[in-house]
Amino acid sequence: GENVEQHPSTLSVQEGDSAVIKCTYSDSASNYFPWYKQELGKGPQLIIDIRSNVGEKKDQRIAVTLNKTAKHFSLHITETQPEDSAVYFCAASKGAGNMLTFGGGTRLMVKP
Amino acid sequence: DAGITQSPRHKVTETGTPVTLRCHQTENHRYMYWYRQDPGHGLRLIHYSYGVKDTDKGEVSDGYSVSRSKTEDFLLTLESATSSQTSVYFCAIQGQNYGYTFGSGTRLTVV
Repeated sequence: GENVEQHPSTLSVQEGDSAVIKCTYSDSASNYFPWYKQELGKGPQLIIDIRSNVGEKKDQRIAVTLNKTAKHFSLHITETQPEDSAVYFCAASKGAGNMLTFGGGTRLMVKP
Repeated sequence: DAGITQSPRHKVTETGTPVTLRCHQTENHRYMYWYRQDPGHGLRLIHYSYGVKDTDKGEVSDGYSVSRSKTEDFLLTLESATSSQTSVYFCAIQGQNYGYTFGSGTRLTVV
């Protein structure tokens, strides 16, 4: 089955700096890669996703890149703010009707 | 979150008692999932459902059972609660766009 590895497990940055979280996956048939943000006491929420026919996707200060050859994808957050502090999960799946396999999570701390 | 609610939000129960957690959706989605989240373990899949009366086990299913008699409800039962089942439980639904929508979670404490 699919295996998703996520690094780092914790990340501390200064407000205004960029943050990068990386994930690798094992199943070359995976074609859908979402990222979730989990704030304290809440359920994970989808913040951005990318499909395998696209190499990069941006939404304001967040972006995701995908390298299908190397089987890795990354989340980039620019101009970090304290409200970006949360746990972030990456995931992978083979699309419709297939469950997501999650990475282990990254705790991001943005210091004011 | 739109379309998915979990109940109760918090529960304290005694070891050995049965406990049922409820996940209710209004999106008419076919796929529903139960996860538990513990420090250092991320999200671990307990059971999932791909339709009414169609369920299957996840990676940590021992001690848990599920039922889905209606599209909108997915119940998770701890048959005889143990302290190791103290955790935060999340339900998720999967829509046509492949992604999950998670509920707000149930914090369960077994004493």
